[in-house]
Amino acid sequence: DAEITQSPRHKITETGRQVTLACHQTWNHNNMFWYRQDLGHGLRLIHYSYGVQDTNKGEVSDGYSVSRSNTEDLPLTLESAASSQTSVYFCASSDWTGANNEQFFGPGTRLTVL
Amino acid sequence: QKEVEQNSGPLSVPEGAIASLNCTYSDRGSQSFFWYRQYSGKSPELIMFIYSNGDKEDGRFTAQLNKASQYVSLLIRDSQPSDSATYLCAVDLNTNAGKSTFGDGTTLTVKP
Repeated sequence: DAEITQSPRHKITETGRQVTLACHQTWNHNNMFWYRQDLGHGLRLIHYSYGVQDTNKGEVSDGYSVSRSNTEDLPLTLESAASSQTSVYFCASSDWTGANNEQFFGPGTRLTVL
Repeated sequence: QKEVEQNSGPLSVPEGAIASLNCTYSDRGSQSFFWYRQYSGKSPELIMFIYSNGDKEDGRFTAQLNKASQYVSLLIRDSQPSDSATYLCAVDLNTNAGKSTFGDGTTLTVKP
């Protein structure tokens, strides 16, 4: 069955360190997204990609970067981790076919920055 | 003003009652509307999608869309304790964007 996976599921790191969160999907979807979820803020879009070599900034992109070298993967990098980046991170993918842009979410990564 | 706003909640209803969740959006150009359910500690999953004005029913769930008033609602009939979750409203600006804006969610508790 097709799926979307994230690793690691839990990560503790220190302020200033570079951290990379992995996202891998086997849906063969063109669209991929990274969100962070904090209490009281729902899902906020960090970066997204519509295909290989395409990346775009979302509403909370400062301090984050992504790259898309193939269809399956969209790794999220925190260049220099800050305590404000402690959050739960969700990766999602979608196969936009007109009006229905249903997104399929990974299980999430809980990141703690000390 | 937030682009997508939901009732802050939490919302509590007795088992068997109708739960009503509301969502308003600011951009009149919005085309597609989604309701996701998120259980505590889990990832969101789609439960309803609607893009035409009016009602769309799927089992115990009904989505209602009114583009003129810029709101979309979700009704859950015969609420069950298993419906206890956070419900996220998501809106696509237009079908070419392929990108959703999410509300902050409404937490629903169904009491036995």
